[in-house]
Amino acid sequence: DGGITQSPKYLFRKEGQNVTLSCEQNLNHDAMYWYRQDPGQGLRLIYYSQIVNDFQKGDIAEGYSVSREKKESFPLTVTSAQKNPTAFYLCASSGSLLLETQYFGPGTRLLVL
Amino acid sequence: KQEVTQIPAALSVPEGENLVLNCSFTDSAIYNLQWFRQDPGKGLTSLLLIQSSQREQTSGRLNASLDKSSGRSTLYIAASQPGDSATYLCAVGSPNNAGNMLTFGGGTRLMVKP
Repeated sequence: DGGITQSPKYLFRKEGQNVTLSCEQNLNHDAMYWYRQDPGQGLRLIYYSQIVNDFQKGDIAEGYSVSREKKESFPLTVTSAQKNPTAFYLCASSGSLLLETQYFGPGTRLLVL
Repeated sequence: KQEVTQIPAALSVPEGENLVLNCSFTDSAIYNLQWFRQDPGKGLTSLLLIQSSQREQTSGRLNASLDKSSGRSTLYIAASQPGDSATYLCAVGSPNNAGNMLTFGGGTRLMVKP
């Protein structure tokens, strides 16, 4: 089945720790995205990538980092610099940057211990 | 900067009612507008995508309209069912965003009572 997978479903972070969220897609999509969703709110863009080895900051990139070494994978690292990381993180992909529907993964909920 | 607003934030209706969800955006220079559905604790499912040159899109009991000049879109749900209960998100793709990405509204949480 084609789709987007995210792991883990739940992730716990200790103070000062970096954690990495996984996102994999087998849709052969060029563009991939990371969003953050806080309770009762819409999604805000963290980072996006149009093509392998290229990525751009979104609206709330501070405290996060990404890589795009493979077309299928776009991992997100939440660094210790992100002081309020508790949120629901959603990964998405699309065939092109703008004109096509974005397909979303099931999400990862990050909690701080 | 593009801003997207959805009204109402929450809506509760009896089963069988026809209903309208509203989405407004501040900058009419858009590429497209999408409506998504989100179930609690889940990812988003795309319902309808309207390109800027289109006025509406239909899928089953759903109909979405777009009026760029007034900065508005509506999602019409006919004959609502309990299974329609979810949060509905509107998202606008416009060239004024950083990297031409989607800007999301805060969503409308819909409850359809049996």
